[in-house]
Amino acid sequence: QKEVEQDPGPLSVPEGAIVSLNCTYSNSAFQYFMWYRQYSRKGPELLMYTYSSGNKEDGRFTAQVDKSSKYISLFIRDSQPSDSATYLCAMSGTGGSYIPTFGRGTSLIVHP
Amino acid sequence: GAVVSQHPSWVICKSGTSVKIECRSLDFQATTMFWYRQFPKQSLMLMATSNEGSKATYEQGVEKDKFLINHASLTLSTLTVTSAHPEDSSFYICSAPPGLAGGSDTQYFGPGTRLTVL
Repeated sequence: QKEVEQDPGPLSVPEGAIVSLNCTYSNSAFQYFMWYRQYSRKGPELLMYTYSSGNKEDGRFTAQVDKSSKYISLFIRDSQPSDSATYLCAMSGTGGSYIPTFGRGTSLIVHP
Repeated sequence: GAVVSQHPSWVICKSGTSVKIECRSLDFQATTMFWYRQFPKQSLMLMATSNEGSKATYEQGVEKDKFLINHASLTLSTLTVTSAHPEDSSFYICSAPPGLAGGSDTQYFGPGTRLTVL
């Protein structure tokens, strides 16, 4: 079992839909949870960053962390064609284990 | 956020040649840089960690003689793919570790370099 599991998709939705992206993990030491957006042939850019459990909202994006279930989610409201990209989850521990472990990414396609 | 640049953004080379990829931190000093490789539809795989003033730390399975890493200054890290072969064709990305880029707890990535070996 990989440390971080993420469905690669692709996930295709119509413009305006609510998108739910998810990752599961097995390492209970993970404390930091990140979501990155990666456009084709570009480096990843940080979207959301959460420490420990709970929710965090930033505009149309909401990140949720459920440490008891080892499950994290990214919700995108009112999705736009410009949201079409690959979304990578990443997570890390603290101290010496701060190097993140990445999921393989979910490809999202928002069609007009 | 912090800015990390890479050069070149895309390179095509013949099999057997060497290619150098530069990674620069533009608005902060980086004592450490991560180098990742990403194959199509795959996750980021950490290759090595470059350290200014000392040897790089390579992940298990990464050939240190093939992927030469040099951290020449606090703003420049380079990855040289020596005697490149078609299976080395990939997307190479550098990033600043958490805590370096303006005290951030997260990484900032460069734009990546696409290497194609013919």
